[in-house]
Amino acid sequence: EAGVVQSPRYKIIEKKQPVAFWCNPISGHNTLYWYRQNLGQGPELLIRYENEEAVDDSQLPKDRFSAERLKGVDSTLKIQPAELGDSAVYLCASSLGLAGGPREDTQYFGPGTRLTVL
Amino acid sequence: AQSVTQPDIHITVSEGASLELRCNYSYGATPYLFWYVQSPGQGLQLLLKYFSGDTLVQGIKGFEAEFKRSQSSFNLRKPSVHWSDAAEYFCAVGHLGTYKYIFGTGTRLKVLA
Repeated sequence: EAGVVQSPRYKIIEKKQPVAFWCNPISGHNTLYWYRQNLGQGPELLIRYENEEAVDDSQLPKDRFSAERLKGVDSTLKIQPAELGDSAVYLCASSLGLAGGPREDTQYFGPGTRLTVL
Repeated sequence: AQSVTQPDIHITVSEGASLELRCNYSYGATPYLFWYVQSPGQGLQLLLKYFSGDTLVQGIKGFEAEFKRSQSSFNLRKPSVHWSDAAEYFCAVGHLGTYKYIFGTGTRLKVLA
């Protein structure tokens, strides 16, 4: 079974430029997460989707970050414009979520996108 | 508020030696607890998880962890470390109902040949 797929794996941009990350979750997983992992830190949640609905976006910097999950499968996270402090690894994860109940809610992570803003 | 503390930023052990990585959590109810491993340039791989029941949990790659409610700890152990275990290890606590994980800052493991 394929895991969580993310692209690109690496991205280097200049500040003030836009950037987008794409995620394809594990088939059948209703819940999708975007995390940001700064150097030397653990991942921090940016946004969580249940199917198409963003149910927790309290940590998403909405002035420059946006996300969508059309049709409840793939998701895109966008930054516009990027700032130097946005350099980090952006991780996507998925889980069965509500369909599986709490016991089954184990999050499976993709390889991440390493963003460098110059 | 929930929090996870991994007191050791770096740990170095010799190959074949035993390993214990510490994790302490702060949470008002029974937590869901996880250990993930992250190799360089890779995402996080689940090693093991605790939801309820037996407090000693077995995971993949020969790892185990023990939930100790009285100490608010969920330490990861392995009896004999292999060179391929060199990676960064993250402990996380999950919140029932919100599916939100809080991660620790990680422990980087170095294995000496």
